[in-house]
Amino acid sequence: DAGVIQSPRHEVTEMGQEVTLRCKPISGHNSLFWYRQTMMRGLELLIYFNNNVPIDDSGMPEDRFSAKMPNASFSTLKIQPSEPRDSAVYFCASSGLAGEKGQFFGPGTRLTVL
Amino acid sequence: DQQVKQNSPSLSVQEGRISILNCDYTNSMFDYFLWYKKYPAEGPTFLISISSIKDKNEDGRFTVFLNKSAKHLSLHIVPSQPGDSAVYFCAARTMNRDDKIIFGKGTRLHILP
Repeated sequence: DAGVIQSPRHEVTEMGQEVTLRCKPISGHNSLFWYRQTMMRGLELLIYFNNNVPIDDSGMPEDRFSAKMPNASFSTLKIQPSEPRDSAVYFCASSGLAGEKGQFFGPGTRLTVL
Repeated sequence: DQQVKQNSPSLSVQEGRISILNCDYTNSMFDYFLWYKKYPAEGPTFLISISSIKDKNEDGRFTVFLNKSAKHLSLHIVPSQPGDSAVYFCAARTMNRDDKIIFGKGTRLHILP
């Protein structure tokens, strides 16, 4: 059981560059979540999908952020163009049907935008 | 507008003593509450949960108490151990059961030797 897989684990890029974060949820889970963690705001929900369909993207900060889930086993979060204030740890999580244990998180991607 | 609030950014407790982490919420539609634990360079992991129809749930050294009238919950760890040093997130879910969870900002717990 591999758990939620995220790549890359670390990303350092320059302002203005495009960044793509990837996530493979736990097999059989039907919900997928993207979070951003910062010191100031804690864990913020950016967007979540249910059965590959975006349900709530109200947490996406601005149009520079986009997320896709082309199939049940893969999702991407893209930032274009990136800015220094996007520096944070980005987590992907997945869950099954109303699981009592909530969501299972990946190890996160630490993004640094210079 | 924080719906789940953890007002203590950090807490230090002597090994062997009780650790009490507090959490307040504002949304009366929350029906399920969870605590997650996070070590550095790892994602949060589920620790313990409680349904709104209960006021206590216990799992080994961990107990969560829920006071619905005060919109307050707490996590008790007893006895505290060095491996308990981590960031603890309080989280809540709404009644529409869409698996969306609202997290607090977390409390960093230091267990002192």
